[in-house]
Amino acid sequence: NAGVTQTPKFQVLKTGQSMTLQCAQDMNHEYMSWYRQDPGMGLRLIHYSVGAGITDQGEVPNGYNVSRSTTEDFPLRLLSAAPSQTSVYFCASSGTRGLNEQFFGPGTRLTVL
Amino acid sequence: AQKITQTQPGMFVQEKEAVTLDCTYDTSDQSYGLFWYKQPSSGEMIFLIYQGSYDEQNATEGRYSLNFQKARKSANLVISASQLGDSAMYFCAMREGTWGNYQLIWGAGTKLIIKP
Repeated sequence: NAGVTQTPKFQVLKTGQSMTLQCAQDMNHEYMSWYRQDPGMGLRLIHYSVGAGITDQGEVPNGYNVSRSTTEDFPLRLLSAAPSQTSVYFCASSGTRGLNEQFFGPGTRLTVL
Repeated sequence: AQKITQTQPGMFVQEKEAVTLDCTYDTSDQSYGLFWYKQPSSGEMIFLIYQGSYDEQNATEGRYSLNFQKARKSANLVISASQLGDSAMYFCAMREGTWGNYQLIWGAGTKLIIKP
């Protein structure tokens, strides 16, 4: 199993550009989520999904879109990048209905100039 | 109000000593879960331990144990016999909600440095 994979690992964008951060898991997990981690802070939930076709907003959803067309994939789209979106982005998945453990991807470090 | 509070921004501990990392939480849910994750300087998030609100016994995983005091809303992580490789950021997190509406809320973290 590859676990949770994220691409790219690093990305530099200019203000106003759009891009998609990719996330995939091969563990047949129902629950997937996106977080951002800013320096000196814990993770903040952006969006999450409890299954294909179902998504919901987390704590900081503005400026981001998600979709979940398959169990495996959960891409995060930045619509019009802003410097405030400079952060490290983590994708995570969990297979248990109790959400007893989340498996994290390696993260994407995004810089918006 | 902060839902997860980690009051120790940083800690220095001598190798082989035990370490207690503090975490207090705030929730009105009866069913919730508490997690600890480790983030080394390489950046990945490593799951350490989980405690459910209905679990009567404190969770343990190898050298890690979670000191769960429900009435005090405290979920401290205890690392026994610390090692140099334990140097990292440690995050406490709480799961609230029900299936379909689960969210994890994270503390700001504690930076632990183990001294040789």
